[in-house]
Amino acid sequence: DTEVTQTPKHLVMGMTNKKSLKCEQHMGHRAMYWYKQKAKKPPELMFVYSYEKLSINESVPSRFSPECPNSSLLNLHLHALQPEDSALYLCASSQVSGGATDTQYFGPGTRLTVL
Amino acid sequence: AQSVAQPEDQVNVAEGNPLTVKCTYSVSGNPYLFWYVQYPNRGLQFLLKYITGDNLVKGSYGFEAEFNKSQTSFHLKKPSALVSDSALYFCAVRDLLNTGGFKTIFGAGTRLFVKA
Repeated sequence: DTEVTQTPKHLVMGMTNKKSLKCEQHMGHRAMYWYKQKAKKPPELMFVYSYEKLSINESVPSRFSPECPNSSLLNLHLHALQPEDSALYLCASSQVSGGATDTQYFGPGTRLTVL
Repeated sequence: AQSVAQPEDQVNVAEGNPLTVKCTYSVSGNPYLFWYVQYPNRGLQFLLKYITGDNLVKGSYGFEAEFNKSQTSFHLKKPSALVSDSALYFCAVRDLLNTGGFKTIFGAGTRLFVKA
């Protein structure tokens, strides 16, 4: 099973709302990632968790707050977002963070619209 | 820094014809190269990767890619295109970090249209 699941599929929120995106994998992977993808553009890395610890933060604004409660779950907490944050948010996982040859498996994404 | 380039924004091919989606890379050290496909409003699906060994890599859905060190290329190919292959294709390379981790650097993407 090479499945990464994400919920919700779609999310519409106002600039004052607080919401969370969820990601789950049961492949035993110990590295998990959040990417942001704008239309017709490549994914941009936001955060990397390795063994449930934040290992990379690509200078993402603090209105995005990641959390890794356990090795299977990854959350992205959203607060006070801007309309330009509207995008497809992709979660991915790989076996280990330092394994440069490891394949990353992506979830279907959450389409976020900020009004 | 590692990078990949996909020189074509769009590739058009007739169903049944062979297809090629081009990718060139620039790396220091060993290149770890990947191809992903993305269907509309979906996540990225892994197609294949080159790590070492045989220069011809076979992947999912009948796709293959040829690693060419002298031309620094990693073109994606399929002998006979299907309409269902129409999608956005990303070439990617691994950028190893001093911290021991890595980042995946994606190309800009190539949109493939297969006409019936």
